[in-house]
Amino acid sequence: EIVLTQSPGTLSLSPGERATLSCRASQSVTSASLAWYQQKPGQAPRLLIYTTSNRATGIPDRFSGSGSGTDFTLTISRLEPDDSAVYYCQHYDNSPSWTFGQGTKVEIK
Amino acid sequence: EVQLVESGGGLVQPGGSLRLSCAASGYTFGPFWMHWVRQAPGKGLMWVSHINGDGRTVVYADSVRGRFTISRDNAKSTLYLHLNSLRIEDTAIYYCIRDRGNPDSFDLWGQGTMVTVSS
Repeated sequence: EIVLTQSPGTLSLSPGERATLSCRASQSVTSASLAWYQQKPGQAPRLLIYTTSNRATGIPDRFSGSGSGTDFTLTISRLEPDDSAVYYCQHYDNSPSWTFGQGTKVEIK
Repeated sequence: EVQLVESGGGLVQPGGSLRLSCAASGYTFGPFWMHWVRQAPGKGLMWVSHINGDGRTVVYADSVRGRFTISRDNAKSTLYLHLNSLRIEDTAIYYCIRDRGNPDSFDLWGQGTMVTVSS
């Protein structure tokens, strides 16, 4: 079973700054099987990025994903107050299996 | 509007049972794989169960296998999760989710239904 480890646990940044969130897999995964979600307090998560780097419908281009092998990154350029949330990475494969990381909380100062 | 609406959550004693329902609307339900994911209070996301489009293939997380049963009625565009032998640690918000691509990421989430297991 693949384990996803996200870092840092919490990221505190100012509006306009760039946020870099990491997701590390316990073994190499295909880039076609990595997604990112945003969850705001009291809301269900929503899909941001699928297959490592593709933005979901309606997601602004401030959000971008990258990576390969065991290391993947979600980047939020030009942070806005509305970006305050917990972000989760997810792996899925043809086993089939689905695994989430433990989350990174982004706080806007 | 494309949406998933869960119902059936509530307070139940340890060892009890519940049936969660998820009504899909605004799209053709049948072809899509579906899932349940749960989130304990203040915790992260945990995948619970999956069912394929025709309902013949189901998969469960180790922690719920043998106690939970996922099913679907494509004629009613409804997904179900039967929860039996409930434990305190099953307390969570349960989300109904559509799979984007069999398998792929989760592109449509319900609002969630709260299950509380307590004596």
